[in-house]
Amino acid sequence: DIQMTQSPSTLSASVGDRVTITCRASQSISNWLAWYQQKPGKAPKLLIYKASSLESGVPSRFSGSGSGTEFTLTISSLQPDDFATYYCQQYNYNSLSITFGQGTRLEIK
Amino acid sequence: EVQLVESGGGLVQPGGSLRLSCAASGFTFSSYWMHWVRQAPGKGLVWVSRINGAGNSVTYADSVKGRFTISRDNAKNTLYLQMNSLRAEDTAVYYCARGVVGAGTWFDPWGQGTLVTVSS
Repeated sequence: DIQMTQSPSTLSASVGDRVTITCRASQSISNWLAWYQQKPGKAPKLLIYKASSLESGVPSRFSGSGSGTEFTLTISSLQPDDFATYYCQQYNYNSLSITFGQGTRLEIK
Repeated sequence: EVQLVESGGGLVQPGGSLRLSCAASGFTFSSYWMHWVRQAPGKGLVWVSRINGAGNSVTYADSVKGRFTISRDNAKNTLYLQMNSLRAEDTAVYYCARGVVGAGTWFDPWGQGTLVTVSS
């Protein structure tokens, strides 16, 4: 199975900061990667798919990049609503495996 | 509006059974792969199972294979997860989610989740 490793596990930042979360795959997944935001007690919300495509309605301060085994989610200027946990997810078109990273908790400094 | 609403969670004893339902609306249900994803308390997301639009192709995570059965009723726009031989480690919030493109895909939207607690 493909393993997904996110870093850091916890990130402390302030409103207005630029933050980057990294997700590494144990083998190449091309650009088959998605990012989700989850707030306490809520379902995950899709932010990015195909590594860099912004889901409709998601603010443009969110962006994704990468391919192969290394991917990043960047928030260009943190807003109060962005403090949440973020998960990456790989979806392998060949093996049809689906796995999530362990999550990155973004907290207010 | 595309919407998924889960139900059927609750407290069950180890070895017991439970059936979860996920009612879909706002889209052509039979055209999409559907998935179950779970999240143990304070933990991350784990994919559990998927089923194709016709209901004749299913896949399970190794941790639930042989104990859980995914199914769907396209006439009722409803997805199901029959969970048997439940264990304490199955305690989690269970989300249903729509697969956007094909079997290996990203998920959008997700339901609000239903909590399953396995405990004596």
